[in-house]
Amino acid sequence: DAEITQSPRHKITETGRQVTLACHQTWNHNNMFWYRQDLGHGLRLIHYSYGVHDTNKGEVSDGYSVSRSNTEDLPLTLESAASSQTSVYFCASSAQPNTEAFFGQGTRLTVV
Amino acid sequence: DAKTTQPPSMDCAEGRAANLPCNHSTISGNEYVYWYRQIHSQGPQYIIHGLKNNETNEMASLIITEDRKSSTLILPHATLRDTAVYYCIVRVGNTGKLIFGQGTTLQVKP
Repeated sequence: DAEITQSPRHKITETGRQVTLACHQTWNHNNMFWYRQDLGHGLRLIHYSYGVHDTNKGEVSDGYSVSRSNTEDLPLTLESAASSQTSVYFCASSAQPNTEAFFGQGTRLTVV
Repeated sequence: DAKTTQPPSMDCAEGRAANLPCNHSTISGNEYVYWYRQIHSQGPQYIIHGLKNNETNEMASLIITEDRKSSTLILPHATLRDTAVYYCIVRVGNTGKLIFGQGTTLQVKP
């Protein structure tokens, strides 16, 4: 079955290190999204992409970057991890802008 | 971007219908209403969406008022496994972005 997977599921890293979270989907969806979820803030959009080589900033993009070299993957990079980036990160994909989006199971990142 | 307003929490008896309201008074003509839910710390799960007509699928029904300023998600026979946070979202135009609010925490009680 087609799916969307995130890895790792849990990660602990140190302040200042570069961290990359992986997101892979097998539906061949054009649209992919990254969200973070913190207590009291719900899910907030970090970056999104409408296709290969396309990337766009969301509402909380500072300190994060993405690249889209193929349809299946949208890795999220924290250039220099900060304690404020401790969060649960969710990736999602959808076929078209107005079709349902499917979410991964999340990556719990702790920056110490 | 159109905003949504939901009650922070609701209770429902097991086996009864759960009716979750949502206000979206600033919705634009081409914006869809989506409902997702999040069980514990899992990824959000798609439930249903609609533009102006009422919709039904195997999980739920979506009732949208004629002026489209509000909607109601109906879970016809709530079970304990339906306990979750339910998000009503107005999808931003043709961008595909889902902007989440705080949602409604539904507690289904035996």
